[in-house]
Amino acid sequence: DVKVTQSSRYLVKRTGEKVFLECVQDMDHENMFWYRQDPGLGLRLIYFSYDVKMKEKGDIPEGYSVSREKKERFSLILESASTNQTSMYLCASFTGNYGYTFGSGTRLTVV
Amino acid sequence: RKEVEQDPGPFNVPEGATVAFNCTYSNSASQSFFWYRQDCRKEPKLLMSVYSSGNEDGRFTAQLNRASQYISLLIRDSKLSDSATYLCVVNMGSTGTASKLTFGTGTRLQVTL
Repeated sequence: DVKVTQSSRYLVKRTGEKVFLECVQDMDHENMFWYRQDPGLGLRLIYFSYDVKMKEKGDIPEGYSVSREKKERFSLILESASTNQTSMYLCASFTGNYGYTFGSGTRLTVV
Repeated sequence: RKEVEQDPGPFNVPEGATVAFNCTYSNSASQSFFWYRQDCRKEPKLLMSVYSSGNEDGRFTAQLNRASQYISLLIRDSKLSDSATYLCVVNMGSTGTASKLTFGTGTRLQVTL
């Protein structure tokens, strides 16, 4: 089974801090994704990557950046955290016919 | 119009009941379809892929109607453990080499004694 690991389950950060969310997958998949999930809004795509050093903006990239230096690792960066970035962040790896495998999520609170 | 639309529910049903969820999608060029299940405060997990011919996995049956652009999920003999949010998911085609899935906001199911 594909394993997607997110480094933190819960994070509390202060407004203005730079925040790094890490995601690692163990199946050499090319496509990786970052979503945020908010009540009533569902999952919204922030950024995705289809290869090392390749990235594309999703639907809500503002305030975020990403890094993909190695195939197995896809990092989401909040350049200057704000309270409206309080959310559940989900990383996913694309497994073709089986859709996505998600990490267990990081619940980020910005205070 | 949202790209993938679902009734948010909640659907409250007694154990043993049959319940059906529908989902509509806007892009007729969509290529593949899935149902995911998400438990409270957990990540979504693949429940089943949806094929044009329809497919069944135990108590769960998924159907696709391309002409009307909707997908359905039928759960027979509901169990308490089926209580969750069910996400309709559509692959609307590739961007570059990445296949990007679009998620509905989910339908919440609560099965009661």
